[in-house]
Amino acid sequence: KQEVTQIPAALSVPEGENLVLNCSFTDSAIYNLQWFRQDPGKGLTSLLLIQSSQREQTSGRLNASLDKSSGRSTLYIAASQPGDSATYLCAVRTGGTSYGKLTFGQGTILTVHP
Amino acid sequence: GAGVSQSPSNKVTEKGKDVELRCDPISGHTALYWYRQSLGQGLEFLIYFQGNSAPDKSGLPSDRFSAERTGGSVSTLTIQRTQQEDSAVYLCASSIPGPSTDTQYFGPGTRLTVL
Repeated sequence: KQEVTQIPAALSVPEGENLVLNCSFTDSAIYNLQWFRQDPGKGLTSLLLIQSSQREQTSGRLNASLDKSSGRSTLYIAASQPGDSATYLCAVRTGGTSYGKLTFGQGTILTVHP
Repeated sequence: GAGVSQSPSNKVTEKGKDVELRCDPISGHTALYWYRQSLGQGLEFLIYFQGNSAPDKSGLPSDRFSAERTGGSVSTLTIQRTQQEDSAVYLCASSIPGPSTDTQYFGPGTRLTVL
């Protein structure tokens, strides 16, 4: 059974800092990995999707890496801003096809203070 | 274009009543998912529809839960004889399956409160 763990559970940083969120998974036979953000009381917004054959994806100040063999992914946020405050979720689709189950981590609650 | 929509946004019901939650996916998205998010808990997978294939119901917590997807588009999640532990936010997502297109787009959710 796939298990996804996110560390840290919560993070509070001053504006401008570069930061790293960690995600680990137990079954390395994944189809893809996705990072989402969730704002309070709202649904999830997709940030980045990394295919199993890829090592990283970048979007603006966000960079996500994937090391499938070790079961790890990191989300790097550069020059953090108060608007980045949200819960960040990592999700892994297990198996070799798009039919695999998507398993979410518990999330990292990020607070960026001015 | 329109995103994933869900209705109602909030539902308060009494224990023992049945409820229906609706999800309208993005047009053209063949995959549709239901998740549940309880207070302080992570996202819990419930059910997954993919085109005309049999749905993956492995996440449904009990036989009181069922879901259908009519015409490959709109989906309804039904909870029969609701219990207080069913109180949660129910989220729906849709996607186009594929290695690079598998991004899930989420609706705003339905907050269910069972009194």
